[in-house]
Amino acid sequence: GAVVSQHPSRVICKSGTSVKIECRSLDFQATTMFWYRQFPKQSLMLMATSNEGSKATYEQGVEKDKFLINHASLTLSTLTVTSAHPEDSSFYICSASSLRGELFFGEGSRLTVL
Amino acid sequence: GDSVTQMEGPVTLSEEAFLTINCTYTATGYPSLFWYVQYPGEGLQLLLKATKADDKGSNKGFEATYRKETTSFHLEKGSVQVSDSAVYFCALSAYSGAGSYQLTFGKGTKLSVIP
Repeated sequence: GAVVSQHPSRVICKSGTSVKIECRSLDFQATTMFWYRQFPKQSLMLMATSNEGSKATYEQGVEKDKFLINHASLTLSTLTVTSAHPEDSSFYICSASSLRGELFFGEGSRLTVL
Repeated sequence: GDSVTQMEGPVTLSEEAFLTINCTYTATGYPSLFWYVQYPGEGLQLLLKATKADDKGSNKGFEATYRKETTSFHLEKGSVQVSDSAVYFCALSAYSGAGSYQLTFGKGTKLSVIP
């Protein structure tokens, strides 16, 4: 089946630094990619939807300047957590939508901010 | 908006016990329904899906039937194994316009199977 690669799988950073997470669709073109955040013992929360070549659409309550999303090509979307703080520590998951509307998930990236 | 409600965990079962995890949804239109599984330390994996009413999704001994009349998609397995220990998410996918689909997840149910 289709594969979505997410990198890095784990990252630890100091407070105040920025972290970039990549999401790649390896064998299909993803017209739309989604970024989710998973809080401990809670559901996945959709953060934003990104379409290739256009600005991401953020969900209510998600800071656009804090979580920068770029979808520069049909196979790559990036999420940059800017000026990270401990409360940004979480599990971030991307998913990619194929031209047929199927969704495939990345393995997730665990961010720990010290 | 769309929503998914699934039974809260954690659920602890003995090996070979019968499993049911309830899931109900509210949605406009005709969503597709999914169960995802997250094994410890891993990302989400699609377990099974159903795209229309009365469809039954099945995989690895798990089954779920799309019940439109009760807006439910309960997950069942006749005999669980220790390796089934994971967090299970019920989700629905609805068309959100411009050729894209949006997933709405339940809160997840943690299953622990003990030998």
